[in-house]
This record gives sequence, structure tokens and C-alpha cells, in this order.
Amino acid sequence: GQNIDQPTEMTATEGAIVQINCTYQTSGFNGLFWYQQHAGEAPTFLSYNVLDGLEEKGRFSSFLSRSKGYSYLLLKELQMKDSASYLCAVDSNYQLIWGAGTKLIIKP
Amino acid sequence: DADVTQTPRNRITKTGKRIMLECSQTKGHDRMYWYRQDPGLGLRLIYYSFDVKDINKGEISDGYSVSRQAQAKFSLSLESAIPNQTALYFCATGDRLTSNTGELFFGEGSRLTVL
Repeated sequence: GQNIDQPTEMTATEGAIVQINCTYQTSGFNGLFWYQQHAGEAPTFLSYNVLDGLEEKGRFSSFLSRSKGYSYLLLKELQMKDSASYLCAVDSNYQLIWGAGTKLIIKP
Repeated sequence: DADVTQTPRNRITKTGKRIMLECSQTKGHDRMYWYRQDPGLGLRLIYYSFDVKDINKGEISDGYSVSRQAQAKFSLSLESAIPNQTALYFCATGDRLTSNTGELFFGEGSRLTVL
């Protein structure tokens, strides 16, 4: 079967750094996506990785290791507005397989 | 105005009723998708379409049907709603899944409650 695992919930402090992990087992791999979803709102695209390594975009970075079936999203200088769910999704044979999402709670 | 618009945003209905959720987009994308989201579960694909009149089943198509009569519109129907179809439904559009980023653009969601 195809499976994506993410922690259900994480808590971090405003101004700190947090790393959200995602592990996957899929029949194919054409890339991995991270989306942000605020409560009751639509998911919005954050990042895409298809090659191994780190992609940096402002305060957010995403890392991929295809051999390990592993990715993480790194959020720096956390702000209260970063409180949201973070969804990991893998393009497996041109179908997106979604993780259940990680709810990130930011405390002052 | 939103690029991907869903109507209605909220709907409460009774078991056995027919419901239609509509999605329209102004992004000019070929690909359109319907997902449902339940607490503790990932987004699950119901149906998708790569072009007008092209319809493909997703992982949970039973109990649902769709129509793609125009490039900009993709509607989802529940012929006879049941309580376990209570969920948040999202429409999404995309250009090519493996283009540059292949990102999807989501509508704001339609919250459906079946009593």
C-alpha cells in the first residue's frame, strides 16, 4: 500500500525553530509537496522537492531524501500566524497521496 | 475574487437528499479535482478530470458523481446523501502535475452536513 506518516501535532514557541517530519512509502515518486492549511481554510502551496537536498524559501525550508523516503519542513523565526496544519503530499505515478497533516501550535 | 470558487460554502441536508456542489475556476487550468477532508485523515480524492468530458475515479468515488461540461466548471453530486458523507469538500485545479512545481490551487471548501 501507499502510506505517508506525519506527527499529528507539534507545539513550538514564537521566535523558535521547528522541524516537521514526513516519511513516505509509495509505489512511485515524482516529487513531494508541502502545503499549509489554516483552520477552516484551503490548503496553500509551500514547497516542492523532487531532488535530494534542501530547498530554502524565506523562513521556510524543505528537505528531501529519496533513498530514505523522508522529508522535513523547517520553519524558522516562528510567528503566531504560522499556527496551522502542514500537509505532506507525494506525487506517486501522477496521483497525489496526502498525509493526515501536522497541526502546529505556536505559543507566545 | 477567488480564482477557485465553490458553492455552497456550507450546507446542511437530510439523509436521502440529492446534493450538488459546484466549482468554477478562472485560472484556465485543464485539471480539476474533488477531495474530501475528514478530521485525522489526509485529503482523499473523489474524482478528477483532465479535460472537458474526461472523468476519472479517485480512491473514494462510491456514492458520488461528477460532471465537467466546461473547462472552468466541475460539479460534484451526491445522489442520495448519507451521514458518513458529512465532511469538508475541496475543489482544486492544476495545470500539469509535473510542471515546474505541479502545485494545486484549492477552493475555500464546502462544508456539508448530512443529518
